[in-house]
Amino acid sequence: GEDVEQSLFLSVREGDSSVINCTYTDSSSTYLYWYKQEPGAGLQLLTYIFSNMDMKQDQRLTVLLNKKDKHLSLRIADTQTGDSAIYFCAERGSGTYKYIFGTGTRLKVLA
Amino acid sequence: EAQVTQNPRYLITVTGKKLTVTCSQNMNHEYMSWYRQDPGLGLRQIYYSMNVEVTDKGDVPEGYKVSRKEKRNFPLILESPSPNQTSLYFCASSLWSGSKADTQYFGPGTRLTVL
Repeated sequence: GEDVEQSLFLSVREGDSSVINCTYTDSSSTYLYWYKQEPGAGLQLLTYIFSNMDMKQDQRLTVLLNKKDKHLSLRIADTQTGDSAIYFCAERGSGTYKYIFGTGTRLKVLA
Repeated sequence: EAQVTQNPRYLITVTGKKLTVTCSQNMNHEYMSWYRQDPGLGLRQIYYSMNVEVTDKGDVPEGYKVSRKEKRNFPLILESPSPNQTSLYFCASSLWSGSKADTQYFGPGTRLTVL
């Protein structure tokens, strides 16, 4: 079945860039999402990318998609302590109603 | 304020005692979904609903029931809870166009412990 994988932890220093990686198996994935979960809260959509795009930039966030390798990454520029959270990658195929989420990557930003 | 609400936020219960977790949204969204979050497993979809009276199974539906009698509400029912259903549960809703990204809005979560 479909699967989405992420590394569990990432630690960076404040001001550095963070890169969170995700791999997925479903080649029909059309929409790929990045969500942020702060402690004790629900998930909040950060950004998404369509499968016909290679890159999307939104302020400090850059999403890169390598369709050949089924690899998605989220780069956070100038990482701040407020970026400390769990980041989830998710995918959905066109016309389907099911979402597949990754395991989440816990980002810790060191001051 | 646009939001998804869940009740209760915390629940401790015993094996076999039926319970319902409510979910309500005020955004007139067609699509609603339930997820469970477990350490190391991420979010897994339990059930989803495309509209009133239309529901379908996600990846982990065993031991759960849902109903969608009204557009705004999507309760999750555990008829006979077991300890392996101890988890953090999230409800989410979105518009549904099918051809767009359709942002999901998540509730604050319900932490369930089954003893």
